[in-house]
Amino acid sequence: NAGVMQNPRHLVRRRGQEARLRCSPMKGHSHVYWYRQLPEEGLKFMVYLQKENIIDESGMPKERFSAEFPKEGPSILRIQQVVRGDSAAYFCASSDGQGGQPQHFGDGTRLSIL
Amino acid sequence: GESVGLHLPTLSVQEGDNSIINCAYSNSASDYFIWYKQESGKGPQFIIDIRSNMDKRQGQRVTVLLNKTVKHLSLQIAATQPGDSAVYFCAEFTGGSYIPTFGRGTSLIVHP
Repeated sequence: NAGVMQNPRHLVRRRGQEARLRCSPMKGHSHVYWYRQLPEEGLKFMVYLQKENIIDESGMPKERFSAEFPKEGPSILRIQQVVRGDSAAYFCASSDGQGGQPQHFGDGTRLSIL
Repeated sequence: GESVGLHLPTLSVQEGDNSIINCAYSNSASDYFIWYKQESGKGPQFIIDIRSNMDKRQGQRVTVLLNKTVKHLSLQIAATQPGDSAVYFCAEFTGGSYIPTFGRGTSLIVHP
């Protein structure tokens, strides 16, 4: 039974490029959450999505960041025109219902901006 | 012990000892808590949870204690093993919200 799958595991981008991070939730889960983890800091909530809907994006920067969870395929976190401060680990979690706990986490994408 | 600044608090123990990891949570209205374990290069892994109507919950080799009076949560690991070495952090939820507030974490180092 596959867990939450994130890819790529590591992503290197130059300033100004776009970064696309993908997340496939656990089988049977239709709720996806994205978090960001800066070095030696706690995880910070970014966005919560259900299939084809953004439920809560209160933690996501208003500019350059967007997220989607289409009917078919993985959830995508997209960062446009990346800057050095975007360097972080981005984690995706999934659950089987709204507010369902516990959320199951993927192993993250480590994004490095040159 | 504790340290300040950019480094995570670190707890070093010998294999076989019991470990106690602490978390001071921020919101007195928080009613659900989870302890996570995060190994290097991996995502957080659920360990145990507790609701605010309880003050203690036990799992396999782990016990979580909740003191609502002082907003304190602790994780006790019995007979600590080298495989327990990881960062441990707590998450608190308030009023049924699905958005957790995470603690910064404590690094547990187990010496064989």
